[in-house]
Amino acid sequence: GESVGLHLPTLSVQEGDNSIINCAYSNSASDYFIWYKQESGKGPQFIIDIRSNMDKRQGQRVTVLLNKTVKHLSLQIAATQPGDSAVYFCAENQGSARQLTFGSGTQLTVLP
Amino acid sequence: DGGITQSPKYLFRKEGQNVTLSCEQNLNHDAMYWYRQDPGQGLRLIYYSQIVNDFQKGDIAEGYSVSREKKESFPLTVTSAQKNPTAFYLCASSLQGATEAFFGQGTRLTVV
Repeated sequence: GESVGLHLPTLSVQEGDNSIINCAYSNSASDYFIWYKQESGKGPQFIIDIRSNMDKRQGQRVTVLLNKTVKHLSLQIAATQPGDSAVYFCAENQGSARQLTFGSGTQLTVLP
Repeated sequence: DGGITQSPKYLFRKEGQNVTLSCEQNLNHDAMYWYRQDPGQGLRLIYYSQIVNDFQKGDIAEGYSVSREKKESFPLTVTSAQKNPTAFYLCASSLQGATEAFFGQGTRLTVV
């Protein structure tokens, strides 16, 4: 079946380094891919999205890359800060109601 | 402030009882969603609604019911038919056709 999954469940980086969080997807018909950040005990917060006809999109300190050939999505965070510690989910858009299919998440821990 | 509000934050229920989780938004969004999140997992869609007085089942609707009598409100009832109701429940809303969904802070339901 179609699915969205993540390569690594945990990632630890030193403060100030760049972080790369990866995601694999299998539904090549998805229109959008979205990255969410979820802090402990809180709801997910939208970070950035990318259309399926794009291969790169940049935001503030974040860049999302989409490789449709290998069905791979990544989120790059520049100069990682302690406040970036959270679980990061990739999600793909399905259906006309724009409901999302989420992966299981990657826990990012920023080390001092 | 505009936003989406879930209440209560923590909820305890005895086995065999129904319980209703509240979700209110003042963002003037047409679409609203309910997700369930279990520890270490992604979000799974329970129900969604694109317009008042209309809603559709998501991937895991069994044991749950919803109503959409007002645009601002999308309450979720966890019935006694739900075999494993202990989880973190997240409500979200979005504009029709939008990729960005705004999440509430969640309700943690525990069956005792």
